[in-house]
Amino acid sequence: DAKTTQPPSMDCAEGRAANLPCNHSTISGNEYVYWYRQIHSQGPQYIIHGLKNNETNEMASLIITEDRKSSTLILPHATLRDTAVYYCIVPRSSGSARQLTFGSGTQLTVLP
Amino acid sequence: DGGITQSPKYLFRKEGQNVTLSCEQNLNHDAMYWYRQDPGQGLRLIYYSQIVNDFQKGDIAEGYSVSREKKESFPLTVTSAQKNPTAFYLCASISPGNTIYFGEGSWLTVV
Repeated sequence: DAKTTQPPSMDCAEGRAANLPCNHSTISGNEYVYWYRQIHSQGPQYIIHGLKNNETNEMASLIITEDRKSSTLILPHATLRDTAVYYCIVPRSSGSARQLTFGSGTQLTVLP
Repeated sequence: DGGITQSPKYLFRKEGQNVTLSCEQNLNHDAMYWYRQDPGQGLRLIYYSQIVNDFQKGDIAEGYSVSREKKESFPLTVTSAQKNPTAFYLCASISPGNTIYFGEGSWLTVV
């Protein structure tokens, strides 16, 4: 997989925007960036994904730099329920194999 | 609804026993994965399978075994060789378009 690097933890005040960065400097031209989050050791939940253009859905926005070497997940109005571990993932195909590895993610804590 | 089903949700193992965790998907995905998660840690890849009757070791395969006899099933066996098996185990599959689907996980505790 394209290696991803995320800060281990971040805090955000409730109601403010949470901006979570991810570096993926070895990403290839046809590889997507995916974001998931995991709450209390449940199965991770899909948030958003993108290739080149910025993306927005009902949960979040994804900003990808022009060189695609980094991205930022934005939760526009963080709530206490957004406290979770956030993973940035770049699935990579190598021949017939698609290994899928996760980093340690970012523990986001939303503070009241 | 399509998805991944893991069972059991909670499992207790005596030392020296093998246990098998089930993972079933009805998404028609070729690729399936098993991860282990320890408290406060990220997901570590145990085994993965790209197609029926084929699988590869991940980063922490020692003490585990898998099989892929059917496309929809990818069971994980935690053998007695795994010295510290107490953990949360997640099964996942990935669509051809690279969307990842996860099961709800299984908690394994050694007693």
